[in-house]
Amino acid sequence: DSGVTQTPKHLITATGQRVTLRCSPRSGDLSVYWYQQSLDQGLQFLIQYYNGEERAKGNILERFSAQQFPDLHSELNLSSLELGDSALYFCASSQREEDTQYFGPGTRLTVL
Amino acid sequence: GDSVTQMEGPVTLSEEAFLTINCTYTATGYPSLFWYVQYPGEGLQLLLKATKADDKGSNKGFEATYRKETTSFHLEKGSVQVSDSAVYFCALSDRTGGFKTIFGAGTRLFVKA
Repeated sequence: DSGVTQTPKHLITATGQRVTLRCSPRSGDLSVYWYQQSLDQGLQFLIQYYNGEERAKGNILERFSAQQFPDLHSELNLSSLELGDSALYFCASSQREEDTQYFGPGTRLTVL
Repeated sequence: GDSVTQMEGPVTLSEEAFLTINCTYTATGYPSLFWYVQYPGEGLQLLLKATKADDKGSNKGFEATYRKETTSFHLEKGSVQVSDSAVYFCALSDRTGGFKTIFGAGTRLFVKA
């Protein structure tokens, strides 16, 4: 158990819908990272927050947004969902930006 | 931009065989290098890391050496076990541009008894 929690574990929804994925980092970790893992694209970095501020952006679509709240938990919002958004979404956290990242168990999103 | 290339899988070995999974990288700065492992149905776990040239990371019998001259970070284990069956990801984290971590495509390892 890495200490990073993600909810929900599974999510099934329809095209065009909007969902919110939640991540609680390990106690004391200030940095949160979001990744998308799909069969055809592999593991892709989406976005990183540090103590509430956006710090780095990867291949994140405009339909996706994220934020980190004062209590340091983070949410990833996915809107206007398409079939191709079906994937595993991982959250990771680290104490400082240069430290080892600890990954949560992931949220499996299925868009029908 | 930064990138990581690792050998394609799947790799199938018999128990106690020697394992090598190749990983090469390109980076503009001086990255830290990592190997992560993903067991079926689980998230990624850090296996080992190296933060500067010639550093050797090691854990659970796995080793990898940061080779700046060949931009490589190959993963090795002298004697694999069935329980090592998993997907292995090579990754780099570069301070340039905000510590984002770039992962390789992953290499699936099957170990037969």
